[in-house]
Amino acid sequence: GAVVSQHPSWVICKSGTSVKIECRSLDFQATTMFWYRQFPKQSLMLMATSNEGSKATYEQGVEKDKFLINHASLTLSTLTVTSAHPEDSSFYICSARERAKNIQYFGAGTRLSVL
Amino acid sequence: QKEVEQNSGPLSVPEGAIASLNCTYSDRGSQSFFWYRQYSGKSPELIMFIYSNGDKEDGRFTAQLNKASQYVSLLIRDSQPSDSATYLCAVIISNFGNEKLTFGTGTRLTIIP
Repeated sequence: GAVVSQHPSWVICKSGTSVKIECRSLDFQATTMFWYRQFPKQSLMLMATSNEGSKATYEQGVEKDKFLINHASLTLSTLTVTSAHPEDSSFYICSARERAKNIQYFGAGTRLSVL
Repeated sequence: QKEVEQNSGPLSVPEGAIASLNCTYSDRGSQSFFWYRQYSGKSPELIMFIYSNGDKEDGRFTAQLNKASQYVSLLIRDSQPSDSATYLCAVIISNFGNEKLTFGTGTRLTIIP
């Protein structure tokens, strides 16, 4: 299957700082990428959908000024958690859609801990 | 009614037996169906996708789709302890032209040695 690379895999930061997470599709072009968040023992929650070259579409209840998404190329999307707080601690997972097969592949995820 | 429904389990199956995971969906127009496996603390991994009615086999895995009944299932033959994970059923649902991969809540499967 196609490969989606996500970095970093783990990040610890102080409250009030910003954290950037990168998501790359390594062997296919992804016009659409997705960002999810998952709390322990809960389901995946879609945060936003990003299309290359346009603004991201955020799900209801997700603060777009807090979770900045950039999808500047067909293989790279970034999520920046601005002014992170302990309640933002979670498992963030990106996904990229392989357009030809309409299949979503997931990155390995980033575990964020905000102290 | 939830858009994609799964029995949350846990489902316990003896090693070597067949594990059967079921999923129903609400949108009759859906055309694309997926099964992902998620180990604890890891991200989802694609196991199978199916677009047409009937069975699709890949190794020990068989996906079954019945669009008339709005039902999709995953069979795991010769279950191994390494198959213990949460299995997520996902369906692409179109809403006003926007396609969204919609997940069920997942079925937790435990293979008993």
